[in-house]
Amino acid sequence: EIVLTQSPGTLSLSPGERATLSCRASQRVGSNYLAWYQQKPGQSPRLLIYGASSRATDIPDRFSGSGSGTDFTLTISGLEPEDFAVYYCQQYGSSPGTFGPGTKVDIK
Amino acid sequence: QVQLVESGGGVVQPGTSLRLSCAASGVTFSHSYFHWVRQAAGKGLEWVAFISSDGHNKYYADSAMGRFIISRDNSKNTLYLQMNNLGLGDTAIYHCATEGEAGSLDYWGQGTQVTVAS
Repeated sequence: EIVLTQSPGTLSLSPGERATLSCRASQRVGSNYLAWYQQKPGQSPRLLIYGASSRATDIPDRFSGSGSGTDFTLTISGLEPEDFAVYYCQQYGSSPGTFGPGTKVDIK
Repeated sequence: QVQLVESGGGVVQPGTSLRLSCAASGVTFSHSYFHWVRQAAGKGLEWVAFISSDGHNKYYADSAMGRFIISRDNSKNTLYLQMNNLGLGDTAIYHCATEGEAGSLDYWGQGTQVTVAS
């Protein structure tokens, strides 16, 4: 099983600032099948990025994903008030699919 | 638009069973792959199970193997999760989700709460 580690656990930033979230895998993620999700309290997760770097439908271009192999990054270029949430990475390059523990982005 | 509606959750005692359902609309159900993902209160996401479009391929998390069974009825546009021998650690919100590009989960239901308590 591939274990995903996300850092930092919490990121405290102000609106307008740039957020950089890291996801590291214990083994290479096959075919870069790495996705990022946003979850707000009381809501289901929302897909942001798939295939490590492709934005999902209707996702603003301030969200971008990069990386390959074992190291991946989600960047939010300028935080909007609605972006303060928990972000999870997920791999499905090999079964079982696994999620990282999440990074909480909160308001500084 | 795509809508996934889970049902069947509830409060049950340890060792009992429960069957969850996920009714789908706005998708070509018979061509879609599905997953179940759960989330305990205040915790992260845990992938539970996967089923291919024709139901022939199924995969489970270690925590679900041997106790949970994922299935589907393409004539009813409905996904199921049969959960047997439930334990306290199975308490969570259970979401169904469709698989999109590159194994990502592109549409999610709101989830159904399963509480296992004595």
